[in-house]
Amino acid sequence: DVKVTQSSRYLVKRTGEKVFLECVQDMDHENMFWYRQDPGLGLRLIYFSYDVKMKEKGDIPEGYSVSREKKERFSLILESASTNQTSMYLCASSLQQYEQFFGPGTRLTVL
Amino acid sequence: TQLLEQSPQFLSIQEGENLTVYCNSSSVFSSLQWYRQEPGEGPVLLVTVVTGGEVKKLKRLTFQFGDARKDSSLHITAAQPGDTGLYLCAGFDSGSARQLTFGSGTQLTVLP
Repeated sequence: DVKVTQSSRYLVKRTGEKVFLECVQDMDHENMFWYRQDPGLGLRLIYFSYDVKMKEKGDIPEGYSVSREKKERFSLILESASTNQTSMYLCASSLQQYEQFFGPGTRLTVL
Repeated sequence: TQLLEQSPQFLSIQEGENLTVYCNSSSVFSSLQWYRQEPGEGPVLLVTVVTGGEVKKLKRLTFQFGDARKDSSLHITAAQPGDTGLYLCAGFDSGSARQLTFGSGTQLTVLP
């Protein structure tokens, strides 16, 4: 079975802090994705990556950056956290582009 | 921007009832997937439909892809409390977008 793990299930940060969210997958998938999920808005794509050191902006990249130094690891960075970034963050990986496997999510609260 | 609209947004039914959830778009998708998400967890893939008119069954769940590949439905027969969760449809366009577009979800509650 594909396993996607995320570094934290719950995280509380203060406005202005730099926040790192880590995601690791163990199935040698080339494609990795970061989404945020908010009530009534569904999943919105922040960034994705089709290969090591490669990244592409999704629908809502503002305020975020990503890093993919190794194939199995995809990090999401909030350079200066703001209260409107309070959300559930979901990482996913896929071999084919459309069948994605998700991690358990990180619920981030920015105070 | 491709959009997927799901209806209803919320559904609360009694155990044993049948239900249908709809996923509609004005865009054509190469494939469409359904996921289920339980509280505090990430979405889990239930099924992928690829061919227009395709019907797939997963125990009590029946998934259908519209003939024009713009819409899909999920039908649950004799719902059980274990079916409770957020159901998400997601469409994939192999052309320009190369990304999944998610619907906003249907929150299903099945009462015992």
